[in-house]
Amino acid sequence: SQKIEQNSEALNIQEGKTATLTCNYTNYSPAYLQWYRQDPGRGPVFLLLIRENEKEKRKERLKVTFDTTLKQSLFHITASQPADSATYLCALALDNYGQNFVFGPGTRLSVLP
Amino acid sequence: DAGVTQSPTHLIKTRGQQVTLRCSPKSGHDTVSWYQQALGQGPQFIFQYYEEEERQRGNFPDRFSGHQFPNYSSELNVNALLLGDSALYLCASSPEVRAEGYGYTFGSGTRLTVV
Repeated sequence: SQKIEQNSEALNIQEGKTATLTCNYTNYSPAYLQWYRQDPGRGPVFLLLIRENEKEKRKERLKVTFDTTLKQSLFHITASQPADSATYLCALALDNYGQNFVFGPGTRLSVLP
Repeated sequence: DAGVTQSPTHLIKTRGQQVTLRCSPKSGHDTVSWYQQALGQGPQFIFQYYEEEERQRGNFPDRFSGHQFPNYSSELNVNALLLGDSALYLCASSPEVRAEGYGYTFGSGTRLTVV
């Protein structure tokens, strides 16, 4: 069956450290993968998109990698801050036209001061 | 620049009733997707509308239906509500995508509680 897993429901790290979140999938062949941030009671906010032929993407303190052989994406937040505390969702796009996204369950990140 | 607007923000309905949720997409966006997000889970795709037609549908029963208007706004209708329909309903808009992927712009959602 098709499945998306994100590492541990919750992740606690100390301020200033690098947070690494994992998205693993089985039986999908995504055209690209996205990461979103979601705060309680709010809709997800788009952060980064990485295509199947890209290995790495960066945006300020954020970095995402995509390994289609391992069927895994890693999402890194360097120099983490308490304001980075939120739930982070990975989403697989199953076609190039963005008509069908499948979201993972999310990882709740808490950055402790 | 207004983002995606959803109404109402909260709603309480009784089992068996019908509900209509509304969404205005971000300016310049013509594609609207609806998602259901249960507590502690990721959003689940319901359907997507483009040019006033349902373009793709997720694994949801026919009780879930929608509509898109000429101004690109959209409605989600749910009939014969069940307790399990209680969730955050999210609307996401994007420009028409043909060969490139875009990040969705999500609204803040409508929290539906069925009692």
